[in-house]
Amino acid sequence: DGGITQSPKYLFRKEGQNVTLSCEQNLNHDAMYWYRQDPGQGLRLIYYSQIVNDFQKGDIAEGYSVSREKKESFPLTVTSAQKNPTAFYLCASRDRGPHQPQHFGDGTRLSIL
Amino acid sequence: RKEVEQDPGPFNVPEGATVAFNCTYSNSASQSFFWYRQDCRKEPKLLMSVYSSGNEDGRFTAQLNRASQYISLLIRDSKLSDSATYLCVVYAGREYGNKLVFGAGTILRVKS
Repeated sequence: DGGITQSPKYLFRKEGQNVTLSCEQNLNHDAMYWYRQDPGQGLRLIYYSQIVNDFQKGDIAEGYSVSREKKESFPLTVTSAQKNPTAFYLCASRDRGPHQPQHFGDGTRLSIL
Repeated sequence: RKEVEQDPGPFNVPEGATVAFNCTYSNSASQSFFWYRQDCRKEPKLLMSVYSSGNEDGRFTAQLNRASQYISLLIRDSKLSDSATYLCVVYAGREYGNKLVFGAGTILRVKS
């Protein structure tokens, strides 16, 4: 089945620790995105990538980093500089063209210990 | 002004009711529009794309008004399973970063 796989489903971070969230897609989509969602709030864009080896900051990039070494993979690292990391993290991908929707993985819930 | 604005609700309706949501967008260059549905603690899922002429999918009808810069979603014969948050999504094009902009969502609660 084609789709987007995020792992792990649940993740706990200790103070001062960096953690990496995985996102893999086999839809052959060029563009990939990371969003953060806090309880009762909308989606906020962290980073996005339109092609391999290129990515841009979204609205709330501080405290996060990404890489896009392969088309299928767009991992997100939550660094110790992100002081309030507890949230629901969603990865999405999108095919080329103006009328293409985004497809989402089923998310990772990150909590701080 | 937010790029995409939605009435947060909640809309509390009985089963069988017809309910409509509106969404306004600020960028007149926006090219495509979508409605997503998000269940509690789950990822958003595409409900339908919105086409210029309006489109229907079963009990759901989407309309686009470019002149007034709003889109709407009409749900007929509401079911309990329609309870969710409905997200309005707008794509402005490559010159605006090739991003989709999400509204904060409208909560629908259908009660028996």
